[in-house]
Amino acid sequence: DTGVSQDPRHKITKRGQNVTFRCDPISEHNRLYWYRQTLGQGPEFLTYFQNEAQLEKSRLLSDRFSAERPKGSFSTLEIQRTEQGDSAMYLCASRSKSVNPQETQYFGPGTRLLVL
Amino acid sequence: AQKITQTQPGMFVQEKEAVTLDCTYDTSDPSYGLFWYKQPSSGEMIFLIYQGSYDQQNATEGRYSLNFQKARKSANLVISASQLGDSAMYFCAMREGVPGGGNKLTFGTGTQLKVEL
Repeated sequence: DTGVSQDPRHKITKRGQNVTFRCDPISEHNRLYWYRQTLGQGPEFLTYFQNEAQLEKSRLLSDRFSAERPKGSFSTLEIQRTEQGDSAMYLCASRSKSVNPQETQYFGPGTRLLVL
Repeated sequence: AQKITQTQPGMFVQEKEAVTLDCTYDTSDPSYGLFWYKQPSSGEMIFLIYQGSYDQQNATEGRYSLNFQKARKSANLVISASQLGDSAMYFCAMREGVPGGGNKLTFGTGTQLKVEL
């Protein structure tokens, strides 16, 4: 399968614990995005990487959240001191370097986080 | 103001009939793109169709077509000959600015479509 993959698919944790999610984009896609989707809502942008550089962060990304893409390939999203409000689906997407406007973002299956 | 508005939380359609899912958008950027995604219960976002702000013709992809009315800032998705497998959540999304930059997507709240026999 050459699509975007995410691990784990599901995570249950207790409030206050740290969690880390991984995203493997489509190979050769230099752009990588993280979104968060809460129940009944559309995905909301969190952050964007071009290669290893984090070029944009949403104000939704509090200081408890950190994302990395150390070698410009896979990315990790860490949430420290989780809160119940962090419960959501975390979606990763990747996009090629093409400037073709029709080039879309390809999404992974997401990681569902439940904070108890 | 909401950048993407989807006013239909839920829609029902009979199998083999056509259905229109509404989407209006708000932007002051002359260059933008509009996307529709399908999200089944499994959670993955599946790209369906794209319309660019400068495109003269409405986009079509198989059974999907986009009714783009630029002056009204609407980009409605039309699904023809509905199938049971079309039952899912549908999201309209917008990319603002010229392609080549970050190009994050802004999503609406979605429409839950249910196809009935």
